[in-house]
Amino acid sequence: GAVVSQHPSRVICKSGTSVKIECRSLDFQATTMFWYRQFPKQSLMLMATSNEGSKATYEQGVEKDKFLINHASLTLSTLTVTSAHPEDSSFYICSAGVVRPDPPYEQYFGPGTRLTVT
Amino acid sequence: RKEVEQDPGPFNVPEGATVAFNCTYSNSASQSFFWYRQDCRKEPKLLMSVYSSGNEDGRFTAQLNRASQYISLLIRDSKLSDSATYLCVVTTRTGNQFYFGTGTSLTVIP
Repeated sequence: GAVVSQHPSRVICKSGTSVKIECRSLDFQATTMFWYRQFPKQSLMLMATSNEGSKATYEQGVEKDKFLINHASLTLSTLTVTSAHPEDSSFYICSAGVVRPDPPYEQYFGPGTRLTVT
Repeated sequence: RKEVEQDPGPFNVPEGATVAFNCTYSNSASQSFFWYRQDCRKEPKLLMSVYSSGNEDGRFTAQLNRASQYISLLIRDSKLSDSATYLCVVTTRTGNQFYFGTGTSLTVIP
């Protein structure tokens, strides 16, 4: 099956610093990568969708200057949380989508990164 | 209106019980449908795709009703290991946009 890795799995940082999270599809090329955020006892909230080589599309209410997404290749996307604040503490999950000629389309999730901002 | 709506539960059922979850979606042009399972503090994992003809995988049966715009998941003979949150996912025609339901929490009790 398709494997998606995320690094780091946990990070603790001080308020005001920036944190970069990597998402890699290990054994397939992902046409699209997604970034989600999940607060405790809530569902995943899509933050942005990124296609390789083009600018990410952000969901309403997500600050693109705060959450920088770089999708440099078909196997790597990065999310940088700039000037992190305690309210940015959350579980960040990436997924890699595979859009085939025929549905169903599928996406595979990374194991997530738990960010704690102190 | 939310793209996908689910009853959050929680559903607490005894071992061996049959439990069903429903999920409704608002976009009639939605293309693909899935059920994902998410364990506490873990990433979601694909449980099964949902096809118009309905599909079964062991104790799990998924069905799609396009006319009424809902999908369902039936779990028979519940096991303790089935305890998790079940997420309903709907994609657009292009397949590039995935919409998640809020998830339904299931606890199977010994």
